[in-house]
Amino acid sequence: DTEVTQTPKHLVMGMTNKKSLKCEQHMGHRAMYWYKQKAKKPPELMFVYSYEKLSINESVPSRFSPECPNSSLLNLHLHALQPEDSALYLCASSKQGGGEDTQYFGPGTRLTVL
Amino acid sequence: AQTVTQSQPEMSVQEAETVTLSCTYDTSESNYYLFWYKQPPSRQMILVIRQEAYKQQNATENRFSVNFQKAAKSFSLKISDSQLGDTAMYFCAFMKPVYSGAGSYQLTFGKGTKLSVIP
Repeated sequence: DTEVTQTPKHLVMGMTNKKSLKCEQHMGHRAMYWYKQKAKKPPELMFVYSYEKLSINESVPSRFSPECPNSSLLNLHLHALQPEDSALYLCASSKQGGGEDTQYFGPGTRLTVL
Repeated sequence: AQTVTQSQPEMSVQEAETVTLSCTYDTSESNYYLFWYKQPPSRQMILVIRQEAYKQQNATENRFSVNFQKAAKSFSLKISDSQLGDTAMYFCAFMKPVYSGAGSYQLTFGKGTKLSVIP
């Protein structure tokens, strides 16, 4: 089973709202990732969690706050977003985060910021 | 710098025909991993095929195969017997450390090739 689930599928929020994106995997993977994908562009890495610890933060603004409550769950908390943050947010997971691992992606959350 | 180039923004193929998508990459590493992912209109990023650079043999997965030319740094994807469900954006991707010496890795994607399968 190579399933990564994400909720919600779609999210519309105002610039003053606080919302969260959720990601879950039950493959026993120990590395989880958030990617951001703008329309007609490839995904770009935002965060990497390895063994529930944040290992990489790719200079992402503080209005994005990741959280890894346990090895199966990854959240992305959103606050005071800007319209340019509208994008598809993809979660992925891999066995241990090494270079030999395959990353498996969830279906994404389509975020619109008004 | 490690970059991935897909030179064909869009391609089309008749159903049941064969199509090849091109990808070149640039790296100074000797061992690395390459991937093709497809992203249909449903948006899910789906792994198509993976290639380890130390393996001479080209990877195959059912109707999908690659032509991996390490010296030329080329990694093309061949789709045989194209089906309507193959219509998608195809991304070539290279696995690299997030920064030199990092224990974490990220996928670096090409800009993608939009493939349309015509009935």
